[in-house]
This record gives sequence, C-alpha cells and structure tokens, in this order.
Amino acid sequence: AQSVTQPDIHITVSEGASLELRCNYSYGATPYLFWYVQSPGQGLQLLLKYFSGDTLVQGIKGFEAEFKRSQSSFNLRKPSVHWSDAAEYFCAVGFMEYGNKLVFGAGTILRVKS
Amino acid sequence: DARVTQTPRHKVTEMGQEVTMRCQPILGHNTVFWYRQTMMQGLELLAYFRNRAPLDDSGMPKDRFSAEMPDATLATLKIQPSEPRDSAVYFCASGLASGGHTDTQYFGPGTRLTVL
Repeated sequence: AQSVTQPDIHITVSEGASLELRCNYSYGATPYLFWYVQSPGQGLQLLLKYFSGDTLVQGIKGFEAEFKRSQSSFNLRKPSVHWSDAAEYFCAVGFMEYGNKLVFGAGTILRVKS
Repeated sequence: DARVTQTPRHKVTEMGQEVTMRCQPILGHNTVFWYRQTMMQGLELLAYFRNRAPLDDSGMPKDRFSAEMPDATLATLKIQPSEPRDSAVYFCASGLASGGHTDTQYFGPGTRLTVL
C-alpha cells in the first residue's frame, strides 16, 4: 500500500547549521510531493511542491527539496537554519489512485539551539 | 491574500453538546478537506468534498460526525453528541483540482476543540 515515512520524530540543530529532513514514500510511480510547515498553534503552510520537471525544487523561507526517484525520497534541506525555523514539518504525498487526497507523514519536530 | 478561514478558533464545550465548525474555502477552489490533528494520531483526513459533493468520508465516525457544503463558500463539520475523545484541532483545507490531479491544499488556522 502507498505510505509516507518521516523517520525522524525530532531533530535538533544549532542556529546557522545546515538541515536535512527526510521523507520516503512507497509507490510504484512518481507521486506529487509536498512539504508543509506548522508553527505552534498555527495551520499548515506550504513550503514547496514537486509535480514534475527539475528534481530540485526551491521553496519559501530558503528551503529546497530534492526528489530522488531511485530512493523514493523527497528530502527537505536548508543551508543555514534560523531560530524562527523551529516548527513541525510534514511531508505529504499525492498518489494517483487517491484522487485529490494527500497522505501525510507523521511529522518531524525541529528544535533550533542558539 | 486569499486564505482559508475557520470559525470558531477555539471551542470549549461539555460532553453531549453539539459542536459546529465552519470553514470558508478560498474563492474559486473546488475541493475542501476536513482533518483532525491529535498528538496520538497525528493528522487524519475526516472528509473530502469536490464541487460540493462528498467524495470520501471514510475517516469520519458516522454515528456522531457529519460534514456538509451548503454552498461553495461554506463547509461545515458537526459533532453531535460530542465526547471528550473528540478534543483535537480540526483543520479545513481547500484546493483547486482538475481531473484526478492532486493539487496543493491550503490550510486554515484550525479550530481547537475541547470537550469536557
């Protein structure tokens, strides 16, 4: 069955350090891929998305993600983390069989040390 | 700046009471989703509408939950009767979809429900 995995529940990085959040999916074809961010008490905000084309996608707030078909991954990266990036990050995947629905990963909570 | 709006933002009620949550999707969007978020279960899809028609409500407890779209600018999620285990944050999201294509979902700020 189609599934989305975010293997890291919590990640702590120092301010100014680089960040990579992992997302893997299980699917035979290329899905639609999204990263969302949720700050405490807020709704989910779209960071970036991949439908097709260039596998390196740029998003808001300095984030980027790379789609790797061979690894069924869509990892989120940022070269230098700011304290305001502390939040929960969700990978979401749209599988064609599911129509317009998205399957969300369990989320990764990012803590930023000053 | 088009946004999904949800009311109320917070709701505290007693067990057995009816709760109605409202969502105004982004104008022109044709899909609406209701999600529930808890610490234990994470983000769960409750119901999904396209062009105001319910396409999937398999995630919703049928005996007490109901979701409707009386018109294109309003979606409602109702719980009757409410129970303490319904305490959660309920999110509405909307999107513009054509064919079977999965498109971006834009989330509202959520309704934080507490059932005592």
